[in-house]
Amino acid sequence: SQKIEQNSEALNIQEGKTATLTCNYTNYSPAYLQWYRQDPGRGPVFLLLIRENEKEKRKERLKVTFDTTLKQSLFHITASQPADSATYLCALVPGNTPLVFGKGTRLSVIA
Amino acid sequence: NAGVMQNPRHLVRRRGQEARLRCSPMKGHSHVYWYRQLPEEGLKFMVYLQKENIIDESGMPKERFSAEFPKEGPSILRIQQVVRGDSAAYFCASSPRQGAREKLFFGSGTQLSVL
Repeated sequence: SQKIEQNSEALNIQEGKTATLTCNYTNYSPAYLQWYRQDPGRGPVFLLLIRENEKEKRKERLKVTFDTTLKQSLFHITASQPADSATYLCALVPGNTPLVFGKGTRLSVIA
Repeated sequence: NAGVMQNPRHLVRRRGQEARLRCSPMKGHSHVYWYRQLPEEGLKFMVYLQKENIIDESGMPKERFSAEFPKEGPSILRIQQVVRGDSAAYFCASSPRQGAREKLFFGSGTQLSVL
């Protein structure tokens, strides 16, 4: 069956360090993969999209990689800040159906 | 340009009542998606609509749930004869086009509590 797995439910890191979140998928061959941020009581907010032929995508302190051989995407936040604390969701489109989301990783950046 | 507007933010219903959740997409967006999120669970796709059409309802329970997106007015997610298991956050999202590279714009959700 098709699965999207974000391997950590929760991740705690020290302020200033780099946070690395993992998204693995099985039985999909997505052309694109997206990352969203969700704060408590709010809807997800789009952060980055990466195409299958892009190895890496950057936006300010964020970096996403996409390895279609490993079926994995890594999401990095460099120089993390307490304001980065949130749940981060990866998502992809499995063919003709709308966006499918992983369960998310709850990141806590400790000052 | 207002974002995706959902109302109400919180809705309390007793078992057996009906719940109506409303969603106004962003201006210029004709594609609407409904997702449900349970505590500690991910977002689960329910239904995808365009104006006056249901495109994909593969995630919608077969009974008691229905959705519409009329020519005029907001999209409505309707849950009849609610049960405790329907308690969840319901999110609406919109996009200007459909496709694998289209990002979704989400509303703040409606938290449904069934007593």
